[in-house]
Amino acid sequence: EDQVTQSPEALRLQEGESSSLNCSYTVSGLRGLFWYRQDPGKGPEFLFTLYSAGEEKEKERLKATLTKKESFLHITAPKPEDSATYLCAVRSGNTPLVFGKGTRLSVIA
Amino acid sequence: KAGVTQTPRYLIKTRGQQVTLSCSPISGHRSVSWYQQTPGQGLQFLFEYFSETQRNKGNFPGRFSGRQFSNSRSEMNVSTLELGDSALYLCASSPDWTSGRAITDTQYFGPGTRLTVL
Repeated sequence: EDQVTQSPEALRLQEGESSSLNCSYTVSGLRGLFWYRQDPGKGPEFLFTLYSAGEEKEKERLKATLTKKESFLHITAPKPEDSATYLCAVRSGNTPLVFGKGTRLSVIA
Repeated sequence: KAGVTQTPRYLIKTRGQQVTLSCSPISGHRSVSWYQQTPGQGLQFLFEYFSETQRNKGNFPGRFSGRQFSNSRSEMNVSTLELGDSALYLCASSPDWTSGRAITDTQYFGPGTRLTVL
């Protein structure tokens, strides 16, 4: 059974203080790993898709990396508007997406 | 291109009633998935439809059902509502993950329908 564990559950950063969010996964054969951002009361917003170990993708202050066991979402010099819950999900074979519980990020000005 | 739309955005029902939620996928997307999100359980998969056929089903009771129409629009129905059904119901669409093209695996979510059962 596919499993996704995200850590930490919550993270509080000062504006400009860079950090990383972790997503550890167990799958029988990774088809894709997905990162989403979710603001309170809204649907998840797609950020990145990673397919193979060693792959990296960047978007503004965010950079996602992938190894065979985990993915990191690096946030460089975060701003208050980066505050949100970040969700990680995996898909293996023909199975549905399996989501982690998310990391709730707060960036304080 | 318009995103995934869901109607209604908010619903208040009482126990025992039934409810139907609607989802219109991104134009050209053929796969629609439904999820239930609660603070305690996070995002849980309900079902996935492709070309009007249910392709996957999550571990939910038979009170939860869905369907997809020929224009890819989808509806989900919950009968005999229980208090525990209160949640944010999310719909997501993707082009078609069975095509084998990696780019088609990504799911794009709608804003959700907030269901409150009293």
